[in-house]
Amino acid sequence: NAGVTQTPKFQVLKTGQSMTLQCAQDMNHNSMYWYRQDPGMGLRLIYYSASEGTTDKGEVPNGYNVSRLNKREFSLRLESAAPSQTSVYFCASSESVMMTFFGQGTRLTVV
Amino acid sequence: GQSLEQPSEVTAVEGAIVQINCTYQTSGFYGLSWYQQHDGGAPTFLSYNALDGLEETGRFSSFLSRSDSYGYLLLQELQMKDSASYFCALISSGSARQLTFGSGTQLTVLP
Repeated sequence: NAGVTQTPKFQVLKTGQSMTLQCAQDMNHNSMYWYRQDPGMGLRLIYYSASEGTTDKGEVPNGYNVSRLNKREFSLRLESAAPSQTSVYFCASSESVMMTFFGQGTRLTVV
Repeated sequence: GQSLEQPSEVTAVEGAIVQINCTYQTSGFYGLSWYQQHDGGAPTFLSYNALDGLEETGRFSSFLSRSDSYGYLLLQELQMKDSASYFCALISSGSARQLTFGSGTQLTVLP
């Protein structure tokens, strides 16, 4: 049982480059989320999708876009990466948000 | 908006009991949840409270007092493997529920 799978696990980008972080869950959950975590801080919500076909902004959406491709997959795109986007990115899914399951994270460095 | 406060660090010895406090400010919420995160790992769900009172799950218990805007996580019979960061998170009310995390408490368990 894979749970929430994120790719890639590590990435280094140059300022201005674009990339897409992929996320898939196999628990048939309706809701999916993208968070970022900076050193010594909690997780901050970037975007979320309460159900297939819907997406909404979270606390820190600027510089990001998302796509809920189907019920399983939720991708996060950085159109023009900036050093301030250096962070660890976590994808998550839940059925009720009382219990949310997280992927292993993508460690992104923008130089 | 919502905000949560937790101590940044707590230290305890193996076999002891430790309490990690969380105070919050919010205009409304569904509940309070707790997550554990080991270094370099994904957050994992521990417990949540939708109602005031104590919820017990094995060695871990969580408490919520809405009148005091306060909750805590109680860890009993501490083990070395409990050394990790612990996050409280508010569960938003409404149809599209989200988590707002505190900045985390680093627990160190000493032998």
